[in-house]
Amino acid sequence: SYELTQPLSVSVALGQTATITCGGNNIGTKNVHWYQQKSGQAPVLVIYRDNNRPSGVPERFSGSNSGNTATLTISSAQAGDEADYYCQVWDSRSVVFGGGTKLTV
Amino acid sequence: QVQLVEFGGGVVQPGKSLRLSCEASGFTFGNHGMHWVRQAPGKGLQWVAIISYDGRNKYYADSLKGRFTISRDNLKSMMYLQMNSLTTEDTAIYYCAKDWMETSYFFDRWGQGAQVTVSS
Repeated sequence: SYELTQPLSVSVALGQTATITCGGNNIGTKNVHWYQQKSGQAPVLVIYRDNNRPSGVPERFSGSNSGNTATLTISSAQAGDEADYYCQVWDSRSVVFGGGTKLTV
Repeated sequence: QVQLVEFGGGVVQPGKSLRLSCEASGFTFGNHGMHWVRQAPGKGLQWVAIISYDGRNKYYADSLKGRFTISRDNLKSMMYLQMNSLTTEDTAIYYCAKDWMETSYFFDRWGQGAQVTVSS
């Protein structure tokens, strides 16, 4: 089965840029989606189909996907961005999630 | 606005069954695939199942096949998850999630979740 690998944790200073990676075999050929989950809350979609932002998501959130790595980038990180982030793809009739990355600001 | 409300969670003994429901509003329910996703305490997200917009196609996580059944009633804007032969490993928050389109295979809205605890 397909696997997605994320770092367990990423730290970023307030106002700096955070980068969260999601590794998978030829992930560049798939659509990658990203979710933010704050403590005690349901997940929220922040990036879909590699690099598209749903309405209401700040422009500070962006995504890219190529080769074996997809990336979520959060520029000018704010305290409110502190959360768990999950990448997700569809593969062989299954939704696959990465293990999640805890972002500390 | 879009709302997804899960109910039917609770405490159940190992080996027993439980049925979760998800009530949808604020969008044309019959135009969207729907999913169940769960999250065990302190763990990451685990996809459970998807049902297509018309109910004809259903796919399940390999580890859950045979025990869980997803269904929907488009006239009532409701989705269900029948869970049988529950074990302690099924303890989790169960989220109902809306597919972006008919079958886009990602989730643009989530419910707040229903807690399921399997314990003797």
